[in-house]
Amino acid sequence: NAGVTQTPKFRVLKTGQSMTLLCAQDMNHEYMYWYRQDPGMGLRLIHYSVGEGTTAKGEVPDGYNVSRLKKQNFLLGLESAAPSQTSVYFCASSIGLGDTQYFGPGTRLTVL
Amino acid sequence: GESVGLHLPTLSVQEGDNSIINCAYSNSASDYFIWYKQESGKGPQFIIDIRSNMDKRQGQRVTVLLNKTVKHLSLQIAATQPGDSAVYFCAEPKAIFGGATNKLIFGTGTLLAVQP
Repeated sequence: NAGVTQTPKFRVLKTGQSMTLLCAQDMNHEYMYWYRQDPGMGLRLIHYSVGEGTTAKGEVPDGYNVSRLKKQNFLLGLESAAPSQTSVYFCASSIGLGDTQYFGPGTRLTVL
Repeated sequence: GESVGLHLPTLSVQEGDNSIINCAYSNSASDYFIWYKQESGKGPQFIIDIRSNMDKRQGQRVTVLLNKTVKHLSLQIAATQPGDSAVYFCAEPKAIFGGATNKLIFGTGTLLAVQP
């Protein structure tokens, strides 16, 4: 039982490049989340999903897209990276609404 | 506004001592709290949780106390070890977007530094 895993762990992009961050969970959780963590800002919710095939915008969705084609996977895409997207990205999952969220190890992204 | 926050930004303890990390909240209707540990370069790791119908909950070397009267909770770590060095957050799920989902509201965090 690996819990929540994320790939890659680190990535450096140039402005305008695109990439996809992968999150996988093996706990059969319905809910999945993407957060970004920035110094002094805490965790901010980017997008979330309440089940396979569903996605919804969080607090800071601009510049990101997501997909949940399989229950265990939640992908976060950056179509045209900007320096403001330099951050640490965390994926989380929970059994249901209001339940404990379990986090992945994070992806540290730098956009030059 | 509503918030979940921590009293102290850093806590330095000697190895083997007990640690107490405090957290205050402002919403008297809050009914569920979670403690997370975040080590450098890693994601938040669930430690223990407590619901408002409880005053105390114990785990392995950790105890969470909830005082609803003064809206305060604490995390106690017994026999603190070097591996306990990390930032500790209290967090509360908050319904957003009309209850469609929850966002975790994290406190600022307390850095626990264990001295050998």
